[in-house]
Amino acid sequence: KQEVTQIPAALSVPEGENLVLNCSFTDSAIYNLQWFRQDPGKGLTSLLLIQSSQREQTSGRLNASLDKSSGRSTLYIAASQPGDSATYLCAVYNRKLIWGLGTSLAVNP
Amino acid sequence: GAVVSQHPSWVICKSGTSVKIECRSLDFQATTMFWYRQFPKQSLMLMATSNEGSKATYEQGVEKDKFLINHASLTLSTLTVTSAHPEDSSFYICSAQWGQGGSYEQYFGPGTRLTVT
Repeated sequence: KQEVTQIPAALSVPEGENLVLNCSFTDSAIYNLQWFRQDPGKGLTSLLLIQSSQREQTSGRLNASLDKSSGRSTLYIAASQPGDSATYLCAVYNRKLIWGLGTSLAVNP
Repeated sequence: GAVVSQHPSWVICKSGTSVKIECRSLDFQATTMFWYRQFPKQSLMLMATSNEGSKATYEQGVEKDKFLINHASLTLSTLTVTSAHPEDSSFYICSAQWGQGGSYEQYFGPGTRLTVT
């Protein structure tokens, strides 16, 4: 049974720091892995999708890597801003999405 | 990018009544849509997979007679919460799947906040 774990559960950093969010999964048989952002009381915003054959994806200040064999993905956020404050969710897909519990990020001005 | 809408965005209903939530893919056709619910400070829980033209597949522990799903067309799926009770109060999110050639991605609606009084 696929399980997705995100570490840390919560993170508070000063503005401008570079930071790394971690996601691990137990079954490497995945089609893809996605990182999402969720603001309080809101829906989901897809940030990056990495296909199983890919190693990383980049969008602006965000970079996500995937090591399928070790069951790990990281989301790197460069030069963090207060507007980055949100919950970041990782999900792996194999017929359906399996979700982590998320990392709650607070970037302080 | 692909857009998925949900209606209503929030609803308050009395206990015992039924509520219908619509999920639409606005600029693409989706043979498969998913319904999730999310409790405060928790991650998403998949409730069911909705396939156009066939019966939905429900996850273990989800009552199919209580949460009726109808995938009437390639752009519309509805979730009806029947005889709602306060414990059904939650955030309901749908997603529509687009993909080809083994590459799939889900696009999410903005969610519907249901409060049952």
